[in-house]
Amino acid sequence: EDQVTQSPEALRLQEGESSSLNCSYTVSGLRGLFWYRQDPGKGPEFLFTLYSAGEEKEKERLKATLTKKESFLHITAPKPEDSATYLCAVKDSSYKLIFGSGTRLLVRP
Amino acid sequence: SQTIHQWPATLVQPVGSPLSLECTVEGTSNPNLYWYRQAAGRGLQLLFYSVGIGQISSEVPQNLSASRPQDRQFILSSKKLLLSDSGFYLCAWTSPAGFGNTIYFGEGSWLTVV
Repeated sequence: EDQVTQSPEALRLQEGESSSLNCSYTVSGLRGLFWYRQDPGKGPEFLFTLYSAGEEKEKERLKATLTKKESFLHITAPKPEDSATYLCAVKDSSYKLIFGSGTRLLVRP
Repeated sequence: SQTIHQWPATLVQPVGSPLSLECTVEGTSNPNLYWYRQAAGRGLQLLFYSVGIGQISSEVPQNLSASRPQDRQFILSSKKLLLSDSGFYLCAWTSPAGFGNTIYFGEGSWLTVV
């Protein structure tokens, strides 16, 4: 059965304090690993798609990496506006996207 | 460009009342459509997905149902709401071109059953 586990559940950082979020997964026939950002009361906003181990993608202060068993979302020198819940999801050989429970990030000024 | 619209944004319904949430996608044809539910502080649970008009797959047995009367329209319904149906409902779409395509979400509908 496909499964996605995110850690930590919550993370508090000082502005400028870099860190990483983890997403471990088990899936039969990975068709993509997705990262989303979700602000309170809003729908998830797409950030990255990774398809194969070793792939990396960057966007501003965010960098996503992928191995055969997990993905990391690295946040470099975060700012308060980076505070949000970050969701990881995997797509298998069907049409479904399976989500983890998310990491709630709070960046203090 | 493609856009997704979902309404209503917020609703409060009494237990036992009916429900209808509507979602439409613009700027694409034959999208795959999805309904997800997110309980407070939890991840997204897939409820229904559709790969074409009249084709609905259910992931979770419950008192909800979905319909796709038109290519770019997806409706979530209930005949009698339960307290446990409260949550944040999200409609989403993806291009049918490939399995790895990104899924894009609407802004969501907050449902409170009282």
